[in-house]
Amino acid sequence: ETGVTQTPRHLVMGMTNKKSLKCEQHLGHNAMYWYKQSAKKPLELMFVYNFKEQTENNSVPSRFSPECPNSSHLFLHLHTLQPEDSALYLCASSPEGAQGTDTQYFGPGTRLTVL
Amino acid sequence: AQSVTQPDIHITVSEGASLELRCNYSYGATPYLFWYVQSPGQGLQLLLKYFSGDTLVQGIKGFEAEFKRSQSSFNLRKPSVHWSDAAEYFCAVVKGLGAGSYQLTFGKGTKLSVIP
Repeated sequence: ETGVTQTPRHLVMGMTNKKSLKCEQHLGHNAMYWYKQSAKKPLELMFVYNFKEQTENNSVPSRFSPECPNSSHLFLHLHTLQPEDSALYLCASSPEGAQGTDTQYFGPGTRLTVL
Repeated sequence: AQSVTQPDIHITVSEGASLELRCNYSYGATPYLFWYVQSPGQGLQLLLKYFSGDTLVQGIKGFEAEFKRSQSSFNLRKPSVHWSDAAEYFCAVVKGLGAGSYQLTFGKGTKLSVIP
């Protein structure tokens, strides 16, 4: 049990849809992350929020829009996605605010399929 | 450029056999190294990490890893594999981005299958 939850667990959407992924952590952590996990590729860091401020955007297309309303919640808003965006989207959190030695705690992910 | 290489995409071992999963990194300074495990349908869980000190690191679930600077390796080992160890294993290294910001860089993973 990692204490990081993600909803929905599975999502199928058309290219013209708008949807949002939700991540919640009750661990009291100060940093939250979005990762993309595609088949046969390494995990790709997408966004980092440190004390609710976005500190990293790893050249992610604007069709992905993160939101961090408070330190416990993280959203990923999706619009006009492409089929190649189909992947497992993982949320993670860490205690000390995105420090190098921090352990990251991952949620189970949202399996996204774009038709 | 910093990278992490896991040379083995898929490994199959018999239950009770020993296991070694390979990880090589390329990084100029002393790296911060991690091993994570991902069971089917789950997120990643930290097995162990190395920052400094003793180069043999003990982790959870009976795993250990040894940092060898001369070989730029951080291989994961377990003396006797259990069926529940079947999962995908990821090696990762921390990359400094400057201004106190860091990023985990992951390898592509090694999938472990266990034969009963």
